[in-house]
Amino acid sequence: QKEVEQDPGPLSVPEGAIVSLNCTYSNSAFQYFMWYRQYSRKGPELLMYTYSSGNKEDGRFTAQVDKSSKYISLFIRDSQPSDSATYLCAMSQGNQGGKLIFGQGTELSVKP
Amino acid sequence: GAVVSQHPSWVICKSGTSVKIECRSLDFQATTMFWYRQFPKQSLMLMATSNEGSKATYEQGVEKDKFLINHASLTLSTLTVTSAHPEDSSFYICSARVRTGRYEQYFGPGTRLTVT
Repeated sequence: QKEVEQDPGPLSVPEGAIVSLNCTYSNSAFQYFMWYRQYSRKGPELLMYTYSSGNKEDGRFTAQVDKSSKYISLFIRDSQPSDSATYLCAMSQGNQGGKLIFGQGTELSVKP
Repeated sequence: GAVVSQHPSWVICKSGTSVKIECRSLDFQATTMFWYRQFPKQSLMLMATSNEGSKATYEQGVEKDKFLINHASLTLSTLTVTSAHPEDSSFYICSARVRTGRYEQYFGPGTRLTVT
């Protein structure tokens, strides 16, 4: 079993839809949680960074962490075609030299 | 802020030659940099962790004599693929941590290596 599980998709939604992306994990020691967006043939771009459980909002993006369920989510409101990309969740225990454990990535397509 | 650059963005080399990829933090000092490899439609695979002034820590299964990493300064890390073979063709991405106590990484744009 992988430490971090993420449905690879692809996920296709119409423009303006609310998108929900999720990851589950097995290691209860994870404390720091991140979401990255990666366009094809580009490096990942940090979208959200959260510590421990709770919600964090930034513009159209909301990140949720539920440590009791070992489940994290990223919501995208009013999705745009420019949001079409692969979304990667990542986690860290806060030690091990700062190593991140990544999910497989979910490929999202927002249709005009 | 937190911009990471990589050079070159794309390189083609012949089998048996060596290729150097540079990773620079442009607006911050990075005590720790990371090197990843990514195959099409797959997630990032960590190759090694590089700390300024010390030897890199390689992940299990990564040949340290083939993938030489040098973190010579707080803004520069290099990855040299020695005696490259076609199976080394991949997308190589570096990242950097801004400071201790924070665990997010900022990624470079990546380098596409093709070995013929």
